[in-house]
Amino acid sequence: EVQLLVSGGGLVQPGGSLRLSCAASGLTFSSSAMTWVRQAPGKGLEWVSGISASADNTFYADSVKGRFTVSRDSSKNTLYLQMNSLRDEDTAVYYCAKVGGGWYLVYWGQGTLVTVSS
Amino acid sequence: EIVMTQSPATLSVSPGERATLSCRASQSVNNKLAWYQQKPGQAPRLLIYGASTRATDIPATFSGSGSGTEFTLTISSLQSEDFAVYYCQQYNNWPLTFGGGTKVEIK
Repeated sequence: EVQLLVSGGGLVQPGGSLRLSCAASGLTFSSSAMTWVRQAPGKGLEWVSGISASADNTFYADSVKGRFTVSRDSSKNTLYLQMNSLRDEDTAVYYCAKVGGGWYLVYWGQGTLVTVSS
Repeated sequence: EIVMTQSPATLSVSPGERATLSCRASQSVNNKLAWYQQKPGQAPRLLIYGASTRATDIPATFSGSGSGTEFTLTISSLQSEDFAVYYCQQYNNWPLTFGGGTKVEIK
């Protein structure tokens, strides 16, 4: 059974930083492209970032480019999202997801809430 | 950026009836279109990819069709567990983009 366990969310002040983690099990993590998707309270889904299986390629939404960094550690089967210079509008539940044969999202973690507020 | 537009925003349907959800792309995404179901407090679940291929363990009551810019998700006979919000997503171009969602509610 594929499991994606997301952690690291919490309350942070504007301008602060957080690092999210997504621990994967039940899949071949080293050969899986991965993504982060967020959902603001009561709103729809917004893609945030993606990383190829080899980590050679990373992709970002314009709204987070230059502030967020995606990375992965295949020795730990873990995906990361380093979030800097956080803004009120970054408040959301953040999900990690495993990419399928194309960049559709086959398995999703349970999400972690990030609240940016003073 | 490709804009995905879903309609209607809310669909009221009686159990056992058919539901038809639409998704339109601002430019062609070929057949690189996925559909997801999300229930309150849960992560989304993949239903359809490649516009018409059902994901693993998705029942045949769900079907997808379309290509280019116009897509449809059909739920042939709504069960109680199917009342949820449905999102389409294109993966033909960066950035990946989602539609705003269609909420399927009990009539």
